[in-house]
Amino acid sequence: QVHLVESGGGVVQSGGSLRLSCVASGFPFSAYGIHWVRQAPGKGLEWVAFINYAGINKYYLDSVKGRFTLSRDDSKNTVYLQMDRLRTEDTALYYCAKDGNPIDSWGQGTLVAVSS
Amino acid sequence: IVLTQSPGTLSLSPGQRATLSCRASQNIYSSYLAWYQQKPGQTPRLVIYGVSSRATGVPDRFTGRGSGTDFTLTISRLEPEDFAVYYCQQYMTYPWTFGQGTKVEIK
Repeated sequence: QVHLVESGGGVVQSGGSLRLSCVASGFPFSAYGIHWVRQAPGKGLEWVAFINYAGINKYYLDSVKGRFTLSRDDSKNTVYLQMDRLRTEDTALYYCAKDGNPIDSWGQGTLVAVSS
Repeated sequence: IVLTQSPGTLSLSPGQRATLSCRASQNIYSSYLAWYQQKPGQTPRLVIYGVSSRATGVPDRFTGRGSGTDFTLTISRLEPEDFAVYYCQQYMTYPWTFGQGTKVEIK
């Protein structure tokens, strides 16, 4: 059974940094890409970023390019989302999700709150 | 690609038919269009992928159709567990995008 667990969220001031982690289990992690999707309080879903199975191809939402960086450590079944120069509009619940063309499994999310 | 869903809210009774629309700002080729269901306090759940293929465990009252820029999700007879927010999503090109959602609520 696919299991994705996010961590690393918290409250941070505008301009600060956070590193989110997504630990996966229940599937051959090194064979799959991982997405991050966020949901601001009371709002809809917004795709944020993707890292492919090899860690080579990475894609980002325009508004986070240059501020967010994806990486993965297959030995730990973990994907990291380094978030720098955070803005108040980055406040959201951040989900990691398994790519199954399209997303077929989601974690429970980790909350990021950016204060001004 | 901008996805525009309509209506914003659909107020229906159990047993009624629900038709949700998703319009894309440009053609979506190769059927890279999905629908997700999200209930309050829960994570999204994949309902339809490839425009018309039901995800594992999704009942056959859910039907996806469409091509090009116009897509629909139809729920033939609403069950109590179907009341939720539904999002369409394109995965043809990055950045992937979601529609703003349609809330199906009990009338």
